[in-house]
Amino acid sequence: DAGVIQSPRHEVTEMGQEVTLRCKPISGHNSLFWYRQTMMRGLELLIYFNNNVPIDDSGMPEDRFSAKMPNASFSTLKIQPSEPRDSAVYFCASSSVVSNGYTFGSGTRLTVV
Amino acid sequence: AQSVTQLGSHVSVSEGALVLLRCNYSSSVPPYLFWYVQYPNQGLQLLLKYTSAATLVKGINGFEAEFKKSETSFHLTKPSAHMRDAAEYFCAVSDRSRDDKIIFGKGTRLHILP
Repeated sequence: DAGVIQSPRHEVTEMGQEVTLRCKPISGHNSLFWYRQTMMRGLELLIYFNNNVPIDDSGMPEDRFSAKMPNASFSTLKIQPSEPRDSAVYFCASSSVVSNGYTFGSGTRLTVV
Repeated sequence: AQSVTQLGSHVSVSEGALVLLRCNYSSSVPPYLFWYVQYPNQGLQLLLKYTSAATLVKGINGFEAEFKKSETSFHLTKPSAHMRDAAEYFCAVSDRSRDDKIIFGKGTRLHILP
């Protein structure tokens, strides 16, 4: 099992540009979570999906953020337009009813300059 | 709403000494409780999970945690610290419903002194 796969590992972009982060959950996991980690705010849950359906997006900070899960094996988190305060590490995690907690990806470190 | 509070953003212990990382939770329903560890430049890994089967939960790498309902606590311990234990540790809670959203604490960075 390859685990939760996130791409890219690092992203540097200029303010105003669109950024797309990608996640492939573990096969068979039916819940997917996007988190943002910063020194100031710690780990924040942005949005999570169950069976490809968004369940709770109350953590999405602004309309500039959007997330999709078109199928059980792929999800994207998009920021448009990006701003320097969006700089953070973004984690994707997946789980299932029978899994032992979440499995996290290695994260995408986003730097907006 | 559920939440966890981790006491101490940084904890330093000497190699070989007892590790104690404190976590208190708030939940209106019987919770699931977790401890995760994050090594530098990596994602979070599950250390252990409490689901009500036993109040003392043993995890990986020699760590364990005890669920104390009367104190609403779920502290993490290890009898003897090792240099490789230096990492950030997160306590987390979920409400056991079909909605398995997990809420994380702000983390405690553990430093091991030689």
